[in-house]
Amino acid sequence: DSGVTQTPKHLITATGQRVTLRCSPRSGDLSVYWYQQSLDQGLQFLIQYYNGEERAKGNILERFSAQQFPDLHSELNLSSLELGDSALYFCASESVANTGELFFGEGSRLTVL
Amino acid sequence: AQSVTQPDIHITVSEGASLELRCNYSYGATPYLFWYVQSPGQGLQLLLKYFSGDTLVQGIKGFEAEFKRSQSSFNLRKPSVHWSDAAEYFCAVGAAGYGGSQGNLIFGKGTKLSVKP
Repeated sequence: DSGVTQTPKHLITATGQRVTLRCSPRSGDLSVYWYQQSLDQGLQFLIQYYNGEERAKGNILERFSAQQFPDLHSELNLSSLELGDSALYFCASESVANTGELFFGEGSRLTVL
Repeated sequence: AQSVTQPDIHITVSEGASLELRCNYSYGATPYLFWYVQSPGQGLQLLLKYFSGDTLVQGIKGFEAEFKRSQSSFNLRKPSVHWSDAAEYFCAVGAAGYGGSQGNLIFGKGTKLSVKP
């Protein structure tokens, strides 16, 4: 158990819809990362938050957005969903020592039909 | 551009045999290097990391990796594979000292390991 909690574990929705994925980092960790894992693209970094502020942005589509709340949990919002958005979405937190070691949740599997 | 290459998509080894998974990286600055393992239905777990110092690093579950700057490689090894090692293995490279945290990691496409009894 990494200590990172993601909900929901599975989500099935239709094209054009909007979903929200939730992540609770390990206790004490300030940094949260979101990654997308798909068969064709592999693991792709989406976005990072550090203590409530956006720190780095990767290959995140404009239809996607994220935020980190004062209690440090984070949400990833995916809107106008397309078939190609079907993937496993991971959240990871980084230790406060900023060593670069990421602790991953078990992921949220999104299926868009 | 920064990249990580894992040349082997799928490797099968017999239980008890030795294992080497290859990883090559392209990175302009001093890299931080990682190996993660992902079991089916699970998140990624860190096996080991290299930041600096001794180029041979030891990790969990009996794994080790050697950083070779001249070859831009960070290969993962295990002397004797167990059936429970069957999983997917990801090499990753990260930035050193970016903005107080290490920034995002760039992952390879992964190598799936199967273990024959």
